[in-house]
Amino acid sequence: GAVVSQHPSWVICKSGTSVKIECRSLDFQATTMFWYRQFPKQSLMLMATSNEGSKATYEQGVEKDKFLINHASLTLSTLTVTSAHPEDSSFYICSAVRSRGDEQYFGPGTRLTVT
Amino acid sequence: GENVEQHPSTLSVQEGDSAVIKCTYSDSASNYFPWYKQELGKRPQLIIDIRSNVGEKKDQRIAVTLNKTAKHFSLHITETQPEDSAVYFCAAFKSGKSTFGDGTTLTVKP
Repeated sequence: GAVVSQHPSWVICKSGTSVKIECRSLDFQATTMFWYRQFPKQSLMLMATSNEGSKATYEQGVEKDKFLINHASLTLSTLTVTSAHPEDSSFYICSAVRSRGDEQYFGPGTRLTVT
Repeated sequence: GENVEQHPSTLSVQEGDSAVIKCTYSDSASNYFPWYKQELGKRPQLIIDIRSNVGEKKDQRIAVTLNKTAKHFSLHITETQPEDSAVYFCAAFKSGKSTFGDGTTLTVKP
């Protein structure tokens, strides 16, 4: 159990367009989902914390108007990268927890390339 | 906010030797400390974790120790194998929010 999926697994888009990434918990209800960004050979940087039915909490330095997060249900959170630029190219990973204090279950990640 | 430092950044050992990776954290309120293994292009996988009310935990060849007073925790891998080669991340959680270390690239030479 505790499987998290992401879609798409990779995406290439043109500069100025928007891209939506979905994160789903397949066999459990996630009270909280997290979105991370990981540049090559670097660590995971937490972007935002997403709770179902409420606004996401963004980390300092993350533009909330650029990275739109919607957590519409207990099994789905989406991250939309708006007006993407080449510097947004990265590996985006989500994770989900069943309850506070539970371990995080990571999605497989989405590799975004902006040309 | 929380600050997690991880050392070393790279570690190379011979197969069969032990490997130790250390992390320090700054926020004494952090209470959950997982270790993840990440292979290239893949998701992080939890390999072991420890909570603040425990000093040591072991799972076969992997062990984690926590010193709350000194605010540091360590990952110990014994009898290393080539398939242990990967990037390892430590993390510290407080109120459900995580801060990751910068990672350690472990290479196990056959």
